[in-house]
Amino acid sequence: GAVVSQHPSWVICKSGTSVKIECRSLDFQATTMFWYRQFPKQSLMLMATSNEGSKATYEQGVEKDKFLINHASLTLSTLTVTSAHPEDSSFYICSARDPLEGTEQYFGPGTRLTVT
Amino acid sequence: TQLLEQSPQFLSIQEGENLTVYCNSSSVFSSLQWYRQEPGEGPVLLVTVVTGGEVKKLKRLTFQFGDARKDSSLHITAAQPGDTGLYLCAGEGLEYGNKLVFGAGTILRVKS
Repeated sequence: GAVVSQHPSWVICKSGTSVKIECRSLDFQATTMFWYRQFPKQSLMLMATSNEGSKATYEQGVEKDKFLINHASLTLSTLTVTSAHPEDSSFYICSARDPLEGTEQYFGPGTRLTVT
Repeated sequence: TQLLEQSPQFLSIQEGENLTVYCNSSSVFSSLQWYRQEPGEGPVLLVTVVTGGEVKKLKRLTFQFGDARKDSSLHITAAQPGDTGLYLCAGEGLEYGNKLVFGAGTILRVKS
């Protein structure tokens, strides 16, 4: 099956700094990637849809200036949390869709962000 | 309001018992997926159902898609401690574009 990786797997940063999280499709080209946020023992909340070569589409209530998404290539999307605050601490998960495999999404292992 | 109502939210059972998790909606989905997630990891796809009335089996797990494609169930027979985790249903439909709509999740704990 398709493999999606995320880096880093966990990160601790100080309040006010920015953090970049990478999402890569390892064995397929992903024209569309998705970024989710998940709080403990809760479901996934879609933050934005990232399309290669174009601007990301953000869900209602998600600040696009705070969560910068770049999908510059068919195998890499990045999420940058700018001026992070403790309330941004969460588990961030990306997923990618292989256009040759239909509509299934393949999820990365997630990135645990802790803002102190 | 959750677009996909998942129940129960939490289930704690003894090893060997059977259980069923439900996922219901008023919307029609073109497909519905079930995932299992362990703490600190991403969700892992268990199955995708696309045809109304479809039943799929994966060892001790049985998945069913409702005839009207608005609901689904996951049944686990003789649960084992290794089945412990967060189970998520997620649906795709025309009215949601190319996005997955997730249920709230069911936390399953199987005690030995």
